Amino acid sequence: QKEVEQNSGPLSVPEGAIASLNCTYSDRGSQSFFWYRQYSGKSPELIMFIYSNGDKEDGRFTAQLNKASQYVSLLIRDSQPSDSATYLCAVNRRGSQGNLIFGKGTKLSVKP
Amino acid sequence: DADVTQTPRNRITKTGKRIMLECSQTKGHDRMYWYRQDPGLGLRLIYYSFDVKDINKGEISDGYSVSRQAQAKFSLSLESAIPNQTALYFCATRGSGANVLTFGAGSRLTVL
Repeated sequence: QKEVEQNSGPLSVPEGAIASLNCTYSDRGSQSFFWYRQYSGKSPELIMFIYSNGDKEDGRFTAQLNKASQYVSLLIRDSQPSDSATYLCAVNRRGSQGNLIFGKGTKLSVKP
Repeated sequence: DADVTQTPRNRITKTGKRIMLECSQTKGHDRMYWYRQDPGLGLRLIYYSFDVKDINKGEISDGYSVSRQAQAKFSLSLESAIPNQTALYFCATRGSGANVLTFGAGSRLTVL
């Protein structure tokens, strides 16, 4: 099992809809979880991070963490065409010296 | 000016040539990283450094070397480039008290 798994997509949603991006991780002792957005040919930029079980909201973005199920998700409400990008899930695995393990990313396409 | 600057941004070279990618940062962060990104493979860690005297291999260090010339500078070298090192390379930094990575704009390397 890969350490951090994401569906590669593409995930296509209409403008204004909720986009749901999912990520699973293999190490139950993982401590913190990050979502990065990467536009084509650009560098990843942090959207948000979450440490505790439950939901964390920041504007149109909500991160959800369920440590028992080893599952983290990112919801994007009122999706806009400008949200079209690849979304990378990253995990701070126990014993990794704080180094992040990245998933391969999910490509999101928001159609006008 | 960008917080994390990578040079060159694009480089085309031939098999067997020595290549250096440079990274400098103005964030005052202790920790610096080199990642490579390939289509469908996500971000993979090549080397990382927690301070000038601390260099560590990542998951794919073979064929690469690094030098931490100063707190602000971290360079990646390919001693004898080969075509499968064609990729997008990112430098990133992180402060010791946080897990948030700040990425440079990337260096696209093509080895013919």
